Amino acid sequence: GAGVSQTPSNKVTEKGKYVELRCDPISGHTALYWYRQSLGQGPEFLIYFQGTGAADDSGLPNDRFFAVRPEGSVSTLKIQRTERGDSAVYLCASSLTGGGYGSYNEQFFGPGTRLTVL
Amino acid sequence: GQNIDQPTEMTATEGAIVQINCTYQTSGFNGLFWYQQHAGEAPTFLSYNVLDGLEEKGRFSSFLSRSKGYSYLLLKELQMKDSASYLCAVSDYKLSFGAGTTVTVRA
Repeated sequence: GAGVSQTPSNKVTEKGKYVELRCDPISGHTALYWYRQSLGQGPEFLIYFQGTGAADDSGLPNDRFFAVRPEGSVSTLKIQRTERGDSAVYLCASSLTGGGYGSYNEQFFGPGTRLTVL
Repeated sequence: GQNIDQPTEMTATEGAIVQINCTYQTSGFNGLFWYQQHAGEAPTFLSYNVLDGLEEKGRFSSFLSRSKGYSYLLLKELQMKDSASYLCAVSDYKLSFGAGTTVTVRA
């Protein structure tokens, strides 16, 4: 079956521009997560959706970052007025449920979008 | 918040055993995951522990001690394809990752 897909795989933009990154989760997965990974670091949590709503957006670095998931499936991460420090790999993951204590909540990751801000 | 520490790099010989340690201090705990990540690729799931003890899956085993905030991933019979970054992650529904341990397997 299809895994998590992300488009584009690479995005090069100029400082100050607006970008949208798309994530298509595994069919039937209600939970969707966005992470950001800088070189030599582990992924850093950005936002978590349960269905259509953002259940936790505490990882978004500032108000230039916004994400939506209007129909509970595909999600778009939007970055306004991009800065060079936004350059990173943006990873999307999905899981069957959001999980509670002890519940097996494996997250399946997409291949990521490599964003480069010049 | 979460604080997760693991060594930066480890090198081992093909056929050997390597143990990657992970210590954590967390405000929430829903289990601990280990992921493998090859350069330029997405992380892929290796193991999950929520109760204390050892979980074995083929050549890979993972151990958890919740009271000590400690886990390790044991890789046995190392193969060249095991050269990758290994990420320790604590779950409280979202994952908080360590910086990863780069394992290099030499012939």
